[in-house]
Amino acid sequence: GIQVEQSPPDLILQEGANSTLRCNFSDSVNNLQWFHQNPWGQLINLFYIPSGTKQNGRLSATTVATERYSLLYISSSQTTDSGVYFCAVDNTNAGKSTFGDGTTLTVKP
Amino acid sequence: DAGVIQSPRHEVTEMGQEVTLRCKPISGHNSLFWYRQTMMRGLELLIYFNNNVPIDDSGMPEDRFSAKMPNASFSTLKIQPSEPRDSAVYFCASSFGLAGGLGELFFGEGSRLTVL
Repeated sequence: GIQVEQSPPDLILQEGANSTLRCNFSDSVNNLQWFHQNPWGQLINLFYIPSGTKQNGRLSATTVATERYSLLYISSSQTTDSGVYFCAVDNTNAGKSTFGDGTTLTVKP
Repeated sequence: DAGVIQSPRHEVTEMGQEVTLRCKPISGHNSLFWYRQTMMRGLELLIYFNNNVPIDDSGMPEDRFSAKMPNASFSTLKIQPSEPRDSAVYFCASSFGLAGGLGELFFGEGSRLTVL
């Protein structure tokens, strides 16, 4: 099946810093999503981005499907950005979504 | 829309008891997924349905687990008998997918199961 690798596994930032999270995948994909799991365990949709670039406030994402990776940018980080960020992909061959292991982000005040 | 609704939010039970988790997907969505999350294994897909039909149940750990989707607005995940190693957070998700893709997933808030 399709492999999804996220990096870095852990990231600690000071409030106000910027960061880039990466998601590599081993096959062509139909869909790619970024989620944020907050400290209360909720999985929140950030971006649905099989290709191209999208922005939502301080967050933006870029997927380069031909090179099989996606990047999530967080600018001017806040303590509320803390949690785990997951990338999930699916393709016709897999027939189901595959999640990466996540990046755990800690933003310190 | 109210989003994906799961119940119960928390369940504590004793080993050997039957557990039933419930899910109401977003209206109009045609795919429903059951995931399990643990510290050791991360997010695992247990089973998913398309148009109420089970498509892939290869992630269901063993015969103690069963899932049904009797109609487009309701699904259950049942564990009988439950064991301590089943303790986890169980998430339900739904999506509207067209040919070739599953569409954007939306998750419920999860059901935290503790089996003593």
